[in-house]
Amino acid sequence: GAGVSQSPSNKVTEKGKDVELRCDPISGHTALYWYRQSLGQGLEFLIYFQGNSAPDKSGLPSDRFSAERTGGSVSTLTIQRTQQEDSAVYLCASSASAQIRETQYFGPGTRLLVL
Amino acid sequence: AQSVSQHNHHVILSEAASLELGCNYSYGGTVNLFWYVQYPGQHLQLLLKYFSGDPLVKGIKGFEAEFIKSKFSFNLRKPSVQWSDTAEYFCAVTYYTGRRALTFGSGTRLQVQP
Repeated sequence: GAGVSQSPSNKVTEKGKDVELRCDPISGHTALYWYRQSLGQGLEFLIYFQGNSAPDKSGLPSDRFSAERTGGSVSTLTIQRTQQEDSAVYLCASSASAQIRETQYFGPGTRLLVL
Repeated sequence: AQSVSQHNHHVILSEAASLELGCNYSYGGTVNLFWYVQYPGQHLQLLLKYFSGDPLVKGIKGFEAEFIKSKFSFNLRKPSVQWSDTAEYFCAVTYYTGRRALTFGSGTRLQVQP
């Protein structure tokens, strides 16, 4: 079946602009995660959604970052007033449930470059 | 803070050589352990995982890992690497007492020379 998809695959923006990144999880997966992969910081957790529960936002680096998940499926990560240090690959993952043993399946990522 | 350490940042091997990549995690109670691989131009995919039971776990493509609780380690091994194993390898952990998200190590870039 289809895996996790993300769009766009690449995004170039100017400092100060807002960007939206989209994630389509595997159909039926109730848990959705956003991570960021950057040269200096490696792979970092950003935010986690599980069903209708309040999201775990503990990994968001600043209040310029926000995310929503509509209808328990598609998620959008928004970065406001982008800064050069936001340049990274943003990865989305989903899992069948929030059980801690569930495998997380990753999408191809969105490569963000802030000029 | 919970953390994962991968001490080998870049490893270069010849084909047929044996591989061992180190992974250590910080203490935080009961853990689940994972190795993910990212082949060039591809996305992260699971190699193997450990939850409980036999500490020697076998994964895809001939990889295995051993959980040593006393050393907080989960090293990845393969007896004979192939050129197609060239990739970046990430160790990751989830803690039963913590959040559901994966905590990743910094990754090890493996280059296998033909």
